[in-house]
Amino acid sequence: GENVEQHPSTLSVQEGDSAVIKCTYSDSASNYFPWYKQELGKGPQLIIDIRSNVGEKKDQRIAVTLNKTAKHFSLHITETQPEDSAVYFCAATSPSAGNKLTFGGGTRVLVKP
Amino acid sequence: NAGVTQTPKFQVLKTGQSMTLQCAQDMNHEYMSWYRQDPGMGLRLIHYSVGAGITDQGEVPNGYNVSRSTTEDFPLRLLSAAPSQTSVYFCASSINPKAGSPLHFGNGTRLTVT
Repeated sequence: GENVEQHPSTLSVQEGDSAVIKCTYSDSASNYFPWYKQELGKGPQLIIDIRSNVGEKKDQRIAVTLNKTAKHFSLHITETQPEDSAVYFCAATSPSAGNKLTFGGGTRVLVKP
Repeated sequence: NAGVTQTPKFQVLKTGQSMTLQCAQDMNHEYMSWYRQDPGMGLRLIHYSVGAGITDQGEVPNGYNVSRSTTEDFPLRLLSAAPSQTSVYFCASSINPKAGSPLHFGNGTRLTVT
């Protein structure tokens, strides 16, 4: 089945700096890669996603890049703000795994004012 | 439009007790699923359903049962609680996972088994 690894597990940045979270996946057939943000006491919420036919996608201060050859994808947050502090999860969906989402272990991001 | 609603928010059980975690969605989503979240292990799929009357096992199904009698509801049953089931449980729904549609999560149930 699919295996998704996420790094780093914790990330501390100064307000205004950029944050980058990286994920690798094992199944080359995976074709959908969402990113979720989880705030304290709440369920994860989708913040951005990318499909395998696209190399990069941006939405205001966040962007995701996908390298299918290397089987890794990354989340980039620019001009970080205190409200970006949360746990972020990457995930991958593979048709060979019944299109079930497999999640990475999560990254706790702390933005210091 | 409430989205995905989970009850209760918190629960403490003694080893061997049984209980049902409730999940309801009002988005008419065919796909519903249950995840457990443990520190450093991300979200692991317990059971899922692609429609009323259809359920299947995920990555960590042992000790849990599910049923899907309606599109809206997808309860998770713990038959005999064990300390290893101490976790935060999330229910999620989606229009159609085959199309890569996003999951919508509830706010979770924090379960402690003593």
